[in-house]
Amino acid sequence: DAGVIQSPRHEVTEMGQEVTLRCKPISGHDYLFWYRQTMMRGLELLIYFNNNVPIDDSGMPEDRFSAKMPNASFSTLKIQPSEPRDSAVYFCASSPAGRGYNEQFFGPGTRLTVL
Amino acid sequence: GENVEQHPSTLSVQEGDSAVIKCTYSDSASNYFPWYKQELGKRPQLIIDIRSNVGEKKDQRIAVTLNKTAKHFSLHITETQPEDSAVYFCAASLGYSTLTFGKGTMLLVSP
Repeated sequence: DAGVIQSPRHEVTEMGQEVTLRCKPISGHDYLFWYRQTMMRGLELLIYFNNNVPIDDSGMPEDRFSAKMPNASFSTLKIQPSEPRDSAVYFCASSPAGRGYNEQFFGPGTRLTVL
Repeated sequence: GENVEQHPSTLSVQEGDSAVIKCTYSDSASNYFPWYKQELGKRPQLIIDIRSNVGEKKDQRIAVTLNKTAKHFSLHITETQPEDSAVYFCAASLGYSTLTFGKGTMLLVSP
């Protein structure tokens, strides 16, 4: 298995532009997570899905952020409009179903820079 | 919700020394405590985890201890090597697969 796949790996955009980050989870994993990592705030959970259904989006910073999971093998995180403070590394992770004791497998991340 | 505090934020040791990283959590219902290692520019990867029905777990040079009463858990690395240099994150889970991460500890092992 190739592991969790994210694209693009790097994104540089200008303030006000729309940004779409993509994630392909490990096949067979029922949970998908989107995290944001910054030096100041560490690893923050933005939203997670179970069987393609959003379960908790309380970590999404504001309405400019949205996430979808149209099928079991694909998810997107969209920022519209983007702002410089959105600059961060965004990780997608997936996990198999279970009793909460399961490892989360992280993708390589997307480094977003908003100028 | 759950809150996880991690200390120290940075830790420098000499090769061969031991390193200890400590975390506290707020919700007594948390029952799963993994540790992730993140090398520079790489993704976080699980290195060891412990469940609430176990007090200690060891894997070669790495061990984790859990004190449920005090609501804290620690990562112990013995005989540190330069390749142990990385950022280490503790996390706590209330179940259902979600994790609350600590802010991370940057470990630097000098040859």
